[in-house]
Amino acid sequence: GDSVTQMEGPVTLSEEAFLTINCTYTATGYPSLFWYVQYPGEGLQLLLKATKADDKGSNKGFEATYRKETTSFHLEKGSVQVSDSAVYFCALSDRGTYKYIFGTGTRLKVLA
Amino acid sequence: DAGVIQSPRHEVTEMGQEVTLRCKPISGHDYLFWYRQTMMRGLELLIYFNNNVPIDDSGMPEDRFSAKMPNASFSTLKIQPSEPRDSAVYFCASSLFREGTEAFFGQGTRLTVV
Repeated sequence: GDSVTQMEGPVTLSEEAFLTINCTYTATGYPSLFWYVQYPGEGLQLLLKATKADDKGSNKGFEATYRKETTSFHLEKGSVQVSDSAVYFCALSDRGTYKYIFGTGTRLKVLA
Repeated sequence: DAGVIQSPRHEVTEMGQEVTLRCKPISGHDYLFWYRQTMMRGLELLIYFNNNVPIDDSGMPEDRFSAKMPNASFSTLKIQPSEPRDSAVYFCASSLFREGTEAFFGQGTRLTVV
């Protein structure tokens, strides 16, 4: 079945450091891909998405590109802030069933 | 729209008791999902509905768990009887039946079974 694999956390960075969180997927066909963010005590919020190969999703300085050839959707940010500390989830939406499959989440901690 | 609304936000109950979690999806959304989040297993899809009809309940862990969606604006997840290992955060999410659209999550219900 469909699945999402993302890098284990926690990831600890200093403020203004470069961030990469790896995400790869397995799916039949071409799913839509998402990054969600979860702040403590809250639900998941959409951060960005991409619906077809080579699409780049971006929001709040975060970016991710849908790479069909490597089945990847890595999240990047050039300069992280303390306020970016949260758990990040990579997810896919299966085109046939429309259900959303999530990775295990990667906790990011940014130190001032 | 107020978004996906879940109640209660926190629930503490004794082992063996019945627990009912509630969800109001975003108006007009076709899909409703129930997820469970734990440290050990991450975010697990329990069941999802399309136009109030259960489509896939293969993620429901045991017969103690049941979910209903009597109308387009309300869904419940019931655990009877509850056990300590059911302690988790339960999320409801909804989405449109449209390719590429995202799911919108509620704030979650933190369930503690003692």
